[in-house]
Amino acid sequence: RKEVEQDPGPFNVPEGATVAFNCTYSNSASQSFFWYRQDCRKEPKLLMSVYSSGNEDGRFTAQLNRASQYISLLIRDSKLSDSATYLCAVNIQGGSNYKLTFGKGTLLTVNP
Amino acid sequence: EAGVAQSPRYKIIEKRQSVAFWCNPISGHATLYWYQQILGQGPKLLIQFQNNGVVDDSQLPKDRFSAERLKGVDSTLKIQPAKLEDSAVYLCASSFYGSSYNEQFFGPGTRLTVL
Repeated sequence: RKEVEQDPGPFNVPEGATVAFNCTYSNSASQSFFWYRQDCRKEPKLLMSVYSSGNEDGRFTAQLNRASQYISLLIRDSKLSDSATYLCAVNIQGGSNYKLTFGKGTLLTVNP
Repeated sequence: EAGVAQSPRYKIIEKRQSVAFWCNPISGHATLYWYQQILGQGPKLLIQFQNNGVVDDSQLPKDRFSAERLKGVDSTLKIQPAKLEDSAVYLCASSFYGSSYNEQFFGPGTRLTVL
């Protein structure tokens, strides 16, 4: 089983739609969780950290379920500018070091 | 504040040639990372430095890849000799400290094509 697995996508949605991305991780010792956004031919940029209680930032909501080892990202009222690849990332502690492991990413295209 | 700088942005070489990439992290960031991102995949960590010391190089193909951060600031990643499967984007990232919740900031990457 891969360390971090995401919905394969791609997702094509109309403007205004709600879209959800799912991510599972295999290592129960994972410490922290993130969603990154990567535009075409650009570098990844942090979108949200994911906290145990769930967190919201405008139209974006992230949730964590440690028991099921599952992370989600919900985008409400999607905009054309939300079109990008969304990467799930999990920080795993090894000794005194933390290693960030990424999923493959899910491509989202928001259509007019 | 200046971001992570990388050069070159693009490089095309033939297999068995050598290539080097350079990264200058955000000022004051102690931790520097090199990632490899193959098309259609997420970034994969190759090596992590804390100041000028290596803390994780478990996924670095050491028979052909090497990296250094001699003065604890900028870093170089070298591939010698390159293989076709090394075609990828090489991303450098930095963080203030390599802790669990420290955000990593990525540079624009170097897109390598091996022919």
